[in-house]
Amino acid sequence: DTAVSQTPKYLVTQMGNDKSIKCEQNLGHDTMYWYKQDSKKFLKIMFSYNNKELIINETVPNRFSPKSPDKAHLNLHINSLELGDSAVYFCASSQFEQGEQYFGPGTRLTVT
Amino acid sequence: GENVEQHPSTLSVQEGDSAVIKCTYSDSASNYFPWYKQELGKRPQLIIDIRSNVGEKKDQRIAVTLNKTAKHFSLHITETQPEDSAVYFCAREETSGSRLTFGEGTQLTVNP
Repeated sequence: DTAVSQTPKYLVTQMGNDKSIKCEQNLGHDTMYWYKQDSKKFLKIMFSYNNKELIINETVPNRFSPKSPDKAHLNLHINSLELGDSAVYFCASSQFEQGEQYFGPGTRLTVT
Repeated sequence: GENVEQHPSTLSVQEGDSAVIKCTYSDSASNYFPWYKQELGKRPQLIIDIRSNVGEKKDQRIAVTLNKTAKHFSLHITETQPEDSAVYFCAREETSGSRLTFGEGTQLTVNP
């Protein structure tokens, strides 16, 4: 009965590779998000989708491409991975403009 | 979005003491202010939130106060316990788009 789930939990890869992270929520929410948490623990919004439509697109390199096939899923594809991409990536979901965001368990990405 | 300033960045208290974390913001249109707790290696989880139509909200040992005029809100934890040790994040929701802007976090350590 996991509310927001992400796969994989850990991802170790080399520079230059392409990787994807998947997120699913079973809360019936209409809005999903990707956050990046760096080594200093700062949580920064990257993208948000409402009803499969992109509504927040922060200043993120275009190597990062989100995709929302339906309201319950939001994936993140990263091309040409760089050392600076190493971080924990959190997916979250909420009902649009109704406050509480529920976070997934996070994906720890390590680029070597 | 406009930043949220959070202080202190680290806080160490003795078990049983109170802990207070304060956040300030500049966007007077913000109406929703959540607080998240993140234990080591875990996801951020909402512990309490407040909307701008109230000045204080309490839930057992935790309380949040909001001063819209001064644009600051604070988290108060009373009778702290070692399991309260975590990173606490304040956030504000922008007036449109469900975007949360987070403070930089406070590492709270409760010493037994």
